[in-house]
Amino acid sequence: GAVVSQHPSWVICKSGTSVKIECRSLDFQATTMFWYRQFPKQSLMLMATSNEGSKATYEQGVEKDKFLINHASLTLSTLTVTSAHPEDSSFYICSAREPTPREGRADTQYFGPGTRLTVL
Amino acid sequence: QKEVEQDPGPLSVPEGAIVSLNCTYSNSAFQYFMWYRQYSRKGPELLMYTYSSGNKEDGRFTAQVDKSSKYISLFIRDSQPSDSATYLCAMTKESNYQLIWGAGTKLIIKP
Repeated sequence: GAVVSQHPSWVICKSGTSVKIECRSLDFQATTMFWYRQFPKQSLMLMATSNEGSKATYEQGVEKDKFLINHASLTLSTLTVTSAHPEDSSFYICSAREPTPREGRADTQYFGPGTRLTVL
Repeated sequence: QKEVEQDPGPLSVPEGAIVSLNCTYSNSAFQYFMWYRQYSRKGPELLMYTYSSGNKEDGRFTAQVDKSSKYISLFIRDSQPSDSATYLCAMTKESNYQLIWGAGTKLIIKP
């Protein structure tokens, strides 16, 4: 399947600081990338859909000013958690979709390995 | 009522057993059905992808879709301890639409 990377895999920060998480599609161009949040023992919660070159679409209840998303290229999207607080501690996962999947690949979302954020 | 229902488990079976994981859904417009496997503290990995009704087999894994009953299944044959993970079903109306997720079933394969 398609390969998606995330960096960093784990980050600890102090309350009030900002943290940037990168999501890259390594072997395909992703016009659409998705950002999810996952709490322990729970399923994935979609935060926003990011389209290359345009503003992200946020799900209801997700603060746009707190979770800044930038999708500046076809292989990179970033999520910045601004003024992080302990309640923002979570597992953040990105996914990417290849608009015209090459042969052998399913037309669906491929996920990165996730980033564990701990805010002290 | 959630659009997709999935028993969170945990489901514990002995090594070598056949495992059956299931999801039910309420939206008849769903056409694309996926199973993802997620190990602890990792991102989900696509296991099976099916369109409309029918069966699809890949190695020890078989995915079944019964649209008339709004029911999908994932079977794992000759289960191994390495299959221990959370299995999430997901589905969507069109391939470029938002995925609707089940809660995930935690599977434990005992050696």
